[in-house]
Amino acid sequence: DTGVSQDPRHKITKRGQNVTFRCDPISEHNRLYWYRQTLGQGPEFLTYFQNEAQLEKSRLLSDRFSAERPKGSFSTLEIQRTEQGDSAMYLCASSLGGGAIGYGYTFGSGTRLTVV
Amino acid sequence: GNSVTQMEGPVTLSEEAFLTINCTYTATGYPSLFWYVQYPGEGLQLLLKATKADDKGSNKGFEATYRKETTSFHLEKGSVQVSDSAVYFCALTGTASKLTFGTGTRLQVTL
Repeated sequence: DTGVSQDPRHKITKRGQNVTFRCDPISEHNRLYWYRQTLGQGPEFLTYFQNEAQLEKSRLLSDRFSAERPKGSFSTLEIQRTEQGDSAMYLCASSLGGGAIGYGYTFGSGTRLTVV
Repeated sequence: GNSVTQMEGPVTLSEEAFLTINCTYTATGYPSLFWYVQYPGEGLQLLLKATKADDKGSNKGFEATYRKETTSFHLEKGSVQVSDSAVYFCALTGTASKLTFGTGTRLQVTL
């Protein structure tokens, strides 16, 4: 297993366009997390899945954001009608079992979104 | 809610110098504490962790002790190397599965 994969690595889009990012977790990990990291800040939690169920969503996740994890495998994060404030690094992480203590979190390298 | 405060960077040190990066936290209950490291162009990697008061996490020469009385988890290394240059994030998790991160401290080690 090569770890957590994210695609694309970089995305430049015009304001108002929709974008979709993909995350492939470590295959045996049942939990998957999305975080957002803006320049000079630490990552902020967006949402997480246990298998295919989305168990928690941050208030940061506006109505323009939607995440899915069909069949409990890969996940997608879609942003509709992008705004310049959406420019950030979007990080995906996965873990096995009760990741409540963060043990076993593996992060991907992230997708850097630039909205122009 | 939970929060983490880290010393601002960048921290610039000469090779073999002693490193301290301060981290304090605010949390309800009994959080677990972590240091993550992000090397240029790479994802976040867990450096060390501590799950209860007075625990000491250690890895690759780095250490941090969970101090409940001072709500701190300062990162230390006795002798830094150029290869330690990276951004270091202090983080915690409580009863939920999500991590709360500090803003990160950039470390630059020079020869």
